[in-house]
Amino acid sequence: AQKVTQAQTEISVVEKEDVTLDCVYETRDTTYYLFWYKQPPSGELVFLIRRNSFDEQNEISGRYSWNFQKSTSSFNFTITASQVVDSAVYFCALSEARYGDKLIFGTGTRLQVFP
Amino acid sequence: DSGVTQTPKHLITATGQRVTLRCSPRSGDLSVYWYQQSLDQGLQFLIQYYNGEERAKGNILERFSAQQFPDLHSELNLSSLELGDSALYFCASSVRGARGNEQFFGPGTRLTVL
Repeated sequence: AQKVTQAQTEISVVEKEDVTLDCVYETRDTTYYLFWYKQPPSGELVFLIRRNSFDEQNEISGRYSWNFQKSTSSFNFTITASQVVDSAVYFCALSEARYGDKLIFGTGTRLQVFP
Repeated sequence: DSGVTQTPKHLITATGQRVTLRCSPRSGDLSVYWYQQSLDQGLQFLIQYYNGEERAKGNILERFSAQQFPDLHSELNLSSLELGDSALYFCASSVRGARGNEQFFGPGTRLTVL
């Protein structure tokens, strides 16, 4: 079964703290894709990153980094030195090659960064 | 700005009515997707079109239908509306139907059914 679990419903941190958002996925496909999206209070969904199942290299983009581990079916997202502008709901999503391009979203993690 | 446009931004209507939501994909994108975001169901895939043809279907109700026109814009039609249809409806587009392309989302249409 295809499933994405984001166990952390809400996280609160103070500015400059590092924070990690967890994502665990389930799939029977060997070819699949993982994504992170950000939904700020304004409501739009902003694409952050895409990873395919054959590329386990971790990625860093500025203060953002992603850790993909197939052994634990996890694709975690870390924000270093968080800022108030990082406050948003973050969604992890999965698409599987055999089921086309549809995205299966997790329930999201609401991150609140306080000054 | 993702380049995907959706109209209207807000829609308030009554139960039993029919509405049409419109989406224009990013320039050059052939695939359009529709998603529904509600408090109880979260973000759910509804339907995908690729270059005018239906490509995949998700948990889309029979009361809902969609199409993609030759100019690649898409419309989602919702009929016999119920209170539970109140939600944020997103359209997304991607370059082509190749597997795993990132999808870029529009700002959404917030539908309120009274």
